[in-house]
Amino acid sequence: KNEVEQSPQNLTAQEGEFITINCSYSVGISALHWLQQHPGGGIVSLFMLSSGKKKHGRLIATINIQEKHSSLHITASHPRDSAVYICAVIPPMDSNYQLIWGAGTKLIIKP
Amino acid sequence: GAGVSQSPRYKVAKRGQDVALRCDPISGHVSLFWYQQALGQGPEFLTYFQNEAQLDKSGLPSDRFFAERPEGSVSTLKIQRTQQEDSAVYLCASSFGTRGRQYFGPGTRLTVL
Repeated sequence: KNEVEQSPQNLTAQEGEFITINCSYSVGISALHWLQQHPGGGIVSLFMLSSGKKKHGRLIATINIQEKHSSLHITASHPRDSAVYICAVIPPMDSNYQLIWGAGTKLIIKP
Repeated sequence: GAGVSQSPRYKVAKRGQDVALRCDPISGHVSLFWYQQALGQGPEFLTYFQNEAQLDKSGLPSDRFFAERPEGSVSTLKIQRTQQEDSAVYLCASSFGTRGRQYFGPGTRLTVL
């Protein structure tokens, strides 16, 4: 079982729909990254959070430390949101610092 | 600039050639990471610098891979005698600290023919 699991693996939706991508992890963490990668493009850090909720534009990220679960929401989705969304966790201070990556969720938003 | 930059963006090499990939991190960022991303895969850790010190090179796939950051800012990833399996996107990321938010460069796409 992977230490960081994302669901769904693939998601296709219509423009305007509310999107939710989930990330569950089985290890202790100090923080969690949500990242975005467009086809052929570099990686953009969307959020880093260790508790609660963060919002930036149409993107919202939440984390529940007790349940070891985080969600990324996109409101009023647009075709330009089509990308791979990756969840990565940062282990706690007393362990290896390397990011533990999820497999990514490929999102396609159709006009 | 405001972000992490990498050059070249694209590199085509003949098998056996040496290549050098450059990363300019965000000014003031102590930590610098190199990753390798094969097509359709997630990033794989290669190496980590804290300032000029290479603290972790456990992810370098072979002794053909070498990285340096002599003055604690710009870093170069060098691959000697390139092989076809080295074809990938090489990503650089920097952060204030080891566990800080990582900011990624656009990557260098290396194709070895």
